[in-house]
Amino acid sequence: KAGVTQTPRYLIKTRGQQVTLSCSPISGHRSVSWYQQTPGQGLQFLFEYFSETQRNKGNFPGRFSGRQFSSSRSEMNVSTLELGDSALYLCASSLKPPGDTQYFGPGTRLTVL
Amino acid sequence: AQSVTQLDSQVPVFEEAPVELRCNYSSSVSVYLFWYVQYPNQGLQLLLKYLSGSTLVKGINGFEAEFNKSQTSFHLRKPSVHISDTAEYFCAVSEFIGTALIFGKGTTLSVSS
Repeated sequence: KAGVTQTPRYLIKTRGQQVTLSCSPISGHRSVSWYQQTPGQGLQFLFEYFSETQRNKGNFPGRFSGRQFSSSRSEMNVSTLELGDSALYLCASSLKPPGDTQYFGPGTRLTVL
Repeated sequence: AQSVTQLDSQVPVFEEAPVELRCNYSSSVSVYLFWYVQYPNQGLQLLLKYLSGSTLVKGINGFEAEFNKSQTSFHLRKPSVHISDTAEYFCAVSEFIGTALIFGKGTTLSVSS
């Protein structure tokens, strides 16, 4: 069974631009969560989607948004990029929350110049 | 609010020596507990998890962890480490009612010969 895939793997943007990252969960998984990983703040929860509905949201500004499609694929969008948005963005999928194992993708490395 | 403290940011150890990576958590409700490993330029891989039942949990690659409710700890152990165990290790918790993982800051395990 294929794992979680994230595209693109690497991205370079400039301040003020917007970006969309994509995540395809493991087949059959309906829950998708997003995390931001930075050297300073570590791993922080962004949001979680289940059956196209946002179930939970972390403490991030409104510039960070996401959605989930009926296929369970998810996208996250960051508008008006700031230098501090440079990070590894990780997506994880699970079969059924809560407490079920979350399987992580390789991440998208976003660099904001 | 939940929080996770990994007591050591770096743990250097020689090959074939035992190792313990310490994790303490705080939460007002019951939690699920996880250990993940991250190799350079990769996503997170689940080592083991505690959901309920036996407090000694065995995971992949010879790792095990013990849940201690009275001390709110979930320390990770391996009796004999290999060079290939060099990686970043993350302890995480999630509550029953949600799936957002709260991560510790991570412990860098460096195994040398």
